[in-house]
Amino acid sequence: ILNVEQSPQSLHVQEGDSTNFTCSFPSSNFYALHWYRWETAKSPEALFVMTLNGDEKKKGRISATLNTKEGYSYLYIKGSQPEDSATYLCASLTGNQFYFGTGTSLTVIP
Amino acid sequence: GAGVSQSPSNKVTEKGKDVELRCDPISGHTALYWYRQSLGQGLEFLIYFQGNSAPDKSGLPSDRFSAERTGGSVSTLTIQRTQQEDSAVYLCASSTVIQETQYFGPGTRLLVL
Repeated sequence: ILNVEQSPQSLHVQEGDSTNFTCSFPSSNFYALHWYRWETAKSPEALFVMTLNGDEKKKGRISATLNTKEGYSYLYIKGSQPEDSATYLCASLTGNQFYFGTGTSLTVIP
Repeated sequence: GAGVSQSPSNKVTEKGKDVELRCDPISGHTALYWYRQSLGQGLEFLIYFQGNSAPDKSGLPSDRFSAERTGGSVSTLTIQRTQQEDSAVYLCASSTVIQETQYFGPGTRLLVL
């Protein structure tokens, strides 16, 4: 079992603040890194799929970077809004399996 | 189809019975994935299919679990002799090919009494 770790485990920010979380993963046999947004009682929503070292992706106020050599990815949210409140999961595709982190729970306080 | 669909949406069964969960991926998606979330736990990867083949079945929790996909479309996850620890939400997702964006179904909530 590979260790995919996310930090922090939970985060409370004020509306309008910018924030970021970390996903670290083993760099050997790495194929891809996925970020998901998961709201309570809903299905996970894919945010980004990243494969190349130095990759940067952006979707509205959310962006992500990838460092495959050192095995980490950052997810950034600019100007957090209450609707951003969710759990953000990362998953590493290593070999033929996906290994998920336990998520960062974000609460944006109005 | 419009999205990934799963059936049943809820299933209550007795310990020892077999259950079959179904996933209909988005039309044209060649990759299909099964996950589960047990109560209070994170998301656990079970298996994925590229076409009809599953390259690695080691993510399945035990030999009571099996999955198949026929015709490159519908997939079924079968749990034999269910145990209480099998109670979980079973999620299915599909993507155009492996490594591309995955679209999740609504899940099947399984409760084993």
